[in-house]
Amino acid sequence: QLQLQESGPGLVRPSETLSLTCTASGGSISSSNYYWGWIRQPPGKGLEWIGNIHYSGSTYYNPSLTSRVTMSVDTSKNQFSLNLTSVTAADTSVYYCARGRFYYGTDVWGQGTTVTVSS
Amino acid sequence: EIVLTQSPATLSVSPGEGATLSCRASQSVVSNLAWYQQKPGQAPRLLIYGASTRATGTPARFTGSGYGTDFTLTISSLQSDDFALYYCQHDNNWPRYTFGQGTKLEIK
Repeated sequence: QLQLQESGPGLVRPSETLSLTCTASGGSISSSNYYWGWIRQPPGKGLEWIGNIHYSGSTYYNPSLTSRVTMSVDTSKNQFSLNLTSVTAADTSVYYCARGRFYYGTDVWGQGTTVTVSS
Repeated sequence: EIVLTQSPATLSVSPGEGATLSCRASQSVVSNLAWYQQKPGQAPRLLIYGASTRATGTPARFTGSGYGTDFTLTISSLQSDDFALYYCQHDNNWPRYTFGQGTKLEIK
């Protein structure tokens, strides 16, 4: 059974870059059917899609974040990553990595990792 | 960009009763709509995809319906485990997607 696990710093200073990695186990991210995504949830608020990446490297980002977001994939390590630049307090959130497929929803989620932006 | 609007924001229902949650899209998403349940401190869990198909492990008391712009998640005979946040999501612009703002289902 596929599992996803986020990792990265829990504290990032304002104006710096937030970097997270998602490691898949129990399955391969090299599947043509799936996209691998990041979703975040600010404290007490709803879910915001950040972006998706295919194992081939194709990326799609939320238009509201596209100028600050970069996603990458490392199939040899079965990992994909998120970089978010120039962070502010508004980027403080729980960040989830997840697996999605068109029409079939986002069916596998990591447990989430809390990232706080503060000096 | 297609906007999803969920209503009500909060729904208070007694255990054993039924609940109806609504999700309206600003333009047609055909049947490309999913529902998720989220409990405090947990990741969301996929309940329904394709507007009406239960995901693996979703109890039969959860029913999704709708097409185009108006969708409903109906939960019959609410159990204590069902009180949570619920989100709809569309992927009509796949591989981009958006979520609704959520409905909190609370115990009355």
